[in-house]
Amino acid sequence: GAGVSQSPSNKVTEKGKDVELRCDPISGHTALYWYRQSLGQGLEFLIYFQGNSAPDKSGLPSDRFSAERTGGSVSTLTIQRTQQEDSAVYLCASSPHPSGREVFGPGTRLTVL
Amino acid sequence: QKEVEQDPGPLSVPEGAIVSLNCTYSNSAFQYFMWYRQYSRKGPELLMYTYSSGNKEDGRFTAQVDKSSKYISLFIRDSQPSDSATYLCAMFTQGGSEKLVFGKGMKLTVNP
Repeated sequence: GAGVSQSPSNKVTEKGKDVELRCDPISGHTALYWYRQSLGQGLEFLIYFQGNSAPDKSGLPSDRFSAERTGGSVSTLTIQRTQQEDSAVYLCASSPHPSGREVFGPGTRLTVL
Repeated sequence: QKEVEQDPGPLSVPEGAIVSLNCTYSNSAFQYFMWYRQYSRKGPELLMYTYSSGNKEDGRFTAQVDKSSKYISLFIRDSQPSDSATYLCAMFTQGGSEKLVFGKGMKLTVNP
C-alpha cells in the first residue's frame, strides 16, 4: 500500500522481555518519527530520523529504549526489559521532509503483563 | 507550563451543532499549526494545515490562528456522527527542532 505500515498491530509480552516494533514508512519520505500514546495522554515524542543525519533521541524515556533506521527506510524501535508502564500505543509517522505534514501508521498496541 | 495546552474534554454535541475546539501555546516561534483527527484504534490523520495567523476553510472545517494571542481554533459546522473522533492540535517550527508538538487531544462525540 501507499501508507505507513507498522507491525505487529498488537503485542502482548511479559515484564522483563524485549520487544521489537517495526515501521515501514512511505517510500521517499526522509523524515521518520516514533511517538508513544498512553490512555488519556497526548502523543509523546520518542525519536526522529532525518535522512543521514544523527537521530534526535531526546524523547526516549530511558536507555531501555532504542531505535534504528536501516538504509533510510525501515525503522525498528526496541524496548529492552519491558515494564508495565511501557504499555501504550506506539505510533510511527513519516513525511517527505520536516514540515509538520506527517503521515501516521496505525500503531502497535503494546501490553506488558 | 506545557508548550501546548488543549482541554481533553470529552465533548458531546448533537448532530448539526457547531463545534469549537481550541489550543493555546507558549512558544512564539511556532509557525505552522495543524489539526489532526484520530479515530478510535487508528493513527492520527492530518485534517488542517495552516501557516502563521489567519483563517483557512475546507468544507465544514475552519482553522483559525491568532499568533498575537497564541491561540488556535478548529470550527466544525453542521457536525455529523462521523466527526466523532479525537482532535489533536499540533505545532511546528521550520528549521527549529523539526518536531511536532501536540496537544493532549479533545475527544468529540456527535450524537445522532
